[in-house]
Amino acid sequence: DQQVKQNSPSLSVQEGRISILNCDYTNSMFDYFLWYKKYPAEGPTFLISISSIKDKNEDGRFTVFLNKSAKHLSLHIVPSQPGDSAVYFCAASGGAQKLVFGQGTRLTINP
Amino acid sequence: EAGVAQSPRYKIIEKRQSVAFWCNPISGHATLYWYQQILGQGPKLLIQFQNNGVVDDSQLPKDRFSAERLKGVDSTLKIQPAKLEDSAVYLCASSFRQPNEKLFFGSGTQLSVL
Repeated sequence: DQQVKQNSPSLSVQEGRISILNCDYTNSMFDYFLWYKKYPAEGPTFLISISSIKDKNEDGRFTVFLNKSAKHLSLHIVPSQPGDSAVYFCAASGGAQKLVFGQGTRLTINP
Repeated sequence: EAGVAQSPRYKIIEKRQSVAFWCNPISGHATLYWYQQILGQGPKLLIQFQNNGVVDDSQLPKDRFSAERLKGVDSTLKIQPAKLEDSAVYLCASSFRQPNEKLFFGSGTQLSVL
């Protein structure tokens, strides 16, 4: 029973363009959502988060959008840079549910 | 500020052997987590400590996995006996307070069970 799903295992984007990573969830009790970024041989690092009372949160080149009715969130990276190449995990929590991670999407930024 | 320290970085064992992982969280972080990340999947919570007490161990296979955080600081996770399906990266994370989903992760221990 996968409560947080990232349906795209990989994504390739040209440097300077927009990267859009998607995440779907099933548990309507989730009220806090996060994106983590992971480089090889390192642990995940926190990138950006959003509470369910908002529909958008922006931090520099990174913006997270939340569509509660569709149970969908997305991470936009503009402009994409080579250093953004990593695995991105979507995560969610809420109610009695501890933090649940998606499977991850491997983003590759091509020069 | 020192990050979350984990050791060893890599471990190769045969099935039915035992193994232990160590974690030292960021100073002052009361909450400590152990996650298991199988290749191609997201991290899955095994156990969560608040100081030296267990908050959640519902997904810990207690017949073979054990964890302790005796003095409320560093922690060990043990597997005995190991199975092939235990091959994964074991990640330790900590946070300043509970609840706080902004976790700080260590680099993990890559376990291979042959």
